[in-house]
Amino acid sequence: GQSLEQPSEVTAVEGAIVQINCTYQTSGFYGLSWYQQHDGGAPTFLSYNGLDGLEETGRFSSFLSRSDSYGYLLLQELQMKDSASYFCAVKGQTGANNLFFGTGTRLTVIP
Amino acid sequence: GAVVSQHPSWVICKSGTSVKIECRSLDFQATTMFWYRQFPKQSLMLMATSNEGSKATYEQGVEKDKFLINHASLTLSTLTVTSAHPEDSSFYICSAPRSGGSQETQYFGPGTRLLVL
Repeated sequence: GQSLEQPSEVTAVEGAIVQINCTYQTSGFYGLSWYQQHDGGAPTFLSYNGLDGLEETGRFSSFLSRSDSYGYLLLQELQMKDSASYFCAVKGQTGANNLFFGTGTRLTVIP
Repeated sequence: GAVVSQHPSWVICKSGTSVKIECRSLDFQATTMFWYRQFPKQSLMLMATSNEGSKATYEQGVEKDKFLINHASLTLSTLTVTSAHPEDSSFYICSAPRSGGSQETQYFGPGTRLLVL
């Protein structure tokens, strides 16, 4: 089976940096993705790591270590609008395009 | 703009009725679409894979006779919740990978919130 664990909640101050971790156990690995979901909305894609290392996309960066089965999402210069739930996700066991989502992290940005 | 649409965006129905949710890919063809369900404060759980021209593939624990999926065209998949009960109240989201796309090009619909009274 597959499991992806994340901290349930994180609180950070506006303008700060926050890291959201994801540890995974999968049979077959095809990369780690990160999604943002605001209350009542659909997930939106943030970042993808197919190989080890850091991927940077504006204020958001994502890191992957396949040997440690671990990744994280880094959000810099936090803004109030970044308050949302963040999910890591992996592809299905056969590499198909269905996604298996992590437990999710609720980020609250405070003034 | 949106590349995947869902209709309706929300629905309230009485227990025992059936509800149909449509998922459309806009300006691209999707031979495969995915249906997820999300309960409050929980993660998205894959329910089934909708395959154009063939039967849907259901995840373990999802009743195929209760959640009917039809993928009649390359741009439309429908999920019908038959004989809905209050425990089926949830947020239903579809997604479609863009043709030839990899994981980072998975597009999600805006979701349908179902409330069964």
